Amino acid sequence: KNQVEQSPQSLIILEGKNCTLQCNYTVSPFSNLRWYKQDTGRGPVSLTIMTFSENTKSNGRYTATLDADTKQSSLHITASQLSDSASYICVVGSNSGAGSYQLTFGKGTKLSVIP
Amino acid sequence: DAGITQSPRHKVTETGTPVTLRCHQTENHRYMYWYRQDPGHGLRLIHYSYGVKDTDKGEVSDGYSVSRSKTEDFLLTLESATSSQTSVYFCAIRASGDEQFFGPGTRLTVL
Repeated sequence: KNQVEQSPQSLIILEGKNCTLQCNYTVSPFSNLRWYKQDTGRGPVSLTIMTFSENTKSNGRYTATLDADTKQSSLHITASQLSDSASYICVVGSNSGAGSYQLTFGKGTKLSVIP
Repeated sequence: DAGITQSPRHKVTETGTPVTLRCHQTENHRYMYWYRQDPGHGLRLIHYSYGVKDTDKGEVSDGYSVSRSKTEDFLLTLESATSSQTSVYFCAIRASGDEQFFGPGTRLTVL
């Protein structure tokens, strides 16, 4: 069964500090890995999407890494801001062909940035 | 937001009543999806559509039906709502590069 595990479940950091969120997956076949940010009461918004051949991708203060060999990804947030308080969801895409395309979602990491 | 709207945004209903949620997109995307999001679970796929009148089941489709009579609208129907269907429902579209964009969500409470 395809699975995506995220850690930690929740995290509290001081404004201005850096943090790293982890994602481990067992999804086959692997097509891509995405990180989404979900603010409270809103829909998820894409931060990055990486294919098998990419091992790092940045979006402003967000940097995602992918190690396809160990099936691990991380999302690093630099110089956190209060507006970074949200849930961060790791999602792995799988395309087995013949029109079969599936996303497996992690449960998310809830990040709270405090002044 | 890729031009996705959902209606209603909030709904409270009673057990046994039918409920229809609407997803509307303005950018002519072929693929549309309905997910539910519950505490302790990742987003779970209910149904999806790959074209007008073309739909298929996701992992949690029991108790739900869908219809897509035109490209821009994808309807999710709970024929007889149950308390276990209390959830937040998200519609999504699939754009180029397999990117998925999500709507703002509908919070449904079944009493």
